[in-house]
Amino acid sequence: EIVLTQSPATLSLSPGERATLSCRASQSVSSYLAWYQQKPGQAPRLLIYDASNRATGIPARFSGSGSGTDFTLTISSLEPEDFAVYYCQQRSSWYTFGQGTKLEIK
Amino acid sequence: EVQLVESGGGLVQPGRSLRLSCAASGFTFDDYAMHWVRQAPGKGLEWVSGINWNSGIIGYADSVKGRFTISRDNAKNFLHLQMNSLRAEDTALYHCAKARDSSVHDAFDIWGQGTMVSVSS
Repeated sequence: EIVLTQSPATLSLSPGERATLSCRASQSVSSYLAWYQQKPGQAPRLLIYDASNRATGIPARFSGSGSGTDFTLTISSLEPEDFAVYYCQQRSSWYTFGQGTKLEIK
Repeated sequence: EVQLVESGGGLVQPGRSLRLSCAASGFTFDDYAMHWVRQAPGKGLEWVSGINWNSGIIGYADSVKGRFTISRDNAKNFLHLQMNSLRAEDTALYHCAKARDSSVHDAFDIWGQGTMVSVSS
């Protein structure tokens, strides 16, 4: 099973700041990595697929990069609605999710 | 409007069975693979099972293999999950999710709100 490790577990930032979230895979997943956002009481929302492609309707401040084992989700300038939990997911070998990064308001 | 609505959750004793359903609307159901993803209370996401557009490719997480069965009814636009031999650790909110493509291997672009399954004596 491919294990995804996200860091940090919690990230405390202020609106307007840049957020950088990391996801590391235990073995190469090529570019088969997605990022999801989940707010309390809501279903997850797809942000990025195949490492760097924004999903439909996702603002340009969200961007993804990486390949192989190391991936990054960047939010260029945080809006109040961006504070949530973020998960990475690999689809190289069926599916696994990372444990999540909680992005909280500082 | 593209929508997924889950049903069938509830409180069940260990060892018993439950069948979850997911009603799909607003898109051509048989063009896409479908999945079940669960989330235990206060925990992260766990992929449970997936099925491609024509049921030709099916996969399960090791934690449910041999106990859960995924199926789909393309004529009625429904996805199902038959859960047998339930355990306390199966307690979770179960989400139905649509893949971006017909392939079972793709990201999930539409999610339902979930149906809660509680396994307890």
